[in-house]
Amino acid sequence: AQSVTQPDIHITVSEGASLELRCNYSYGATPYLFWYVQSPGQGLQLLLKYFSGDTLVQGIKGFEAEFKRSQSSFNLRKPSVHWSDAAEYFCAVGVYMEYGNKLVFGAGTILRVKS
Amino acid sequence: GAVVSQHPSWVICKSGTSVKIECRSLDFQATTMFWYRQFPKQSLMLMATSNEGSKATYEQGVEKDKFLINHASLTLSTLTVTSAHPEDSSFYICSAQRRGSYYEQYFGPGTRLTVT
Repeated sequence: AQSVTQPDIHITVSEGASLELRCNYSYGATPYLFWYVQSPGQGLQLLLKYFSGDTLVQGIKGFEAEFKRSQSSFNLRKPSVHWSDAAEYFCAVGVYMEYGNKLVFGAGTILRVKS
Repeated sequence: GAVVSQHPSWVICKSGTSVKIECRSLDFQATTMFWYRQFPKQSLMLMATSNEGSKATYEQGVEKDKFLINHASLTLSTLTVTSAHPEDSSFYICSAQRRGSYYEQYFGPGTRLTVT
């Protein structure tokens, strides 16, 4: 079965420090991978996605993620975190379904930024 | 572009009543819409997938007679929680997928339902 694991429930980093959020997936076929961010009172916003090609993908707000097939991972990174990055981050894998391709989400990682 | 709205943003209803939540794609046609439920400090759980003009496909364990989904047009889907009970209190989120988009979904801001 398809699944996504985000091992870290909470992460706290200092403003200006680098960030890496971990994501591991389980899917039998070529994965379509996503990172979304959810801020309080707002809907999920797509940060970046990987479909194929270059395994290092760039997203919005200075985020990037690297797809590593051998490790079944798609970790999210940012070189310098800003206080406004505090939010919950979800990794997801796209799953083909005959009636509509769905997303399977990880449990999420809450990012806290300390000044 | 690709904006999805939900209405209402929050609703309180009494146990035993029904409540309808609307999900609209404002600037694109959504051939497929999804409804999720999110419990506090938990991930999004897919409830059902709806295609315009077709019956919704429900995930295992989701009561289709309790959570009625209608996708009447390419820009509107509704979720009706029938005979609501306190355990139905949750955050409901919809998303929409545009024609030709393989997997990418655009999410609404969510609706907080509280059943008293």
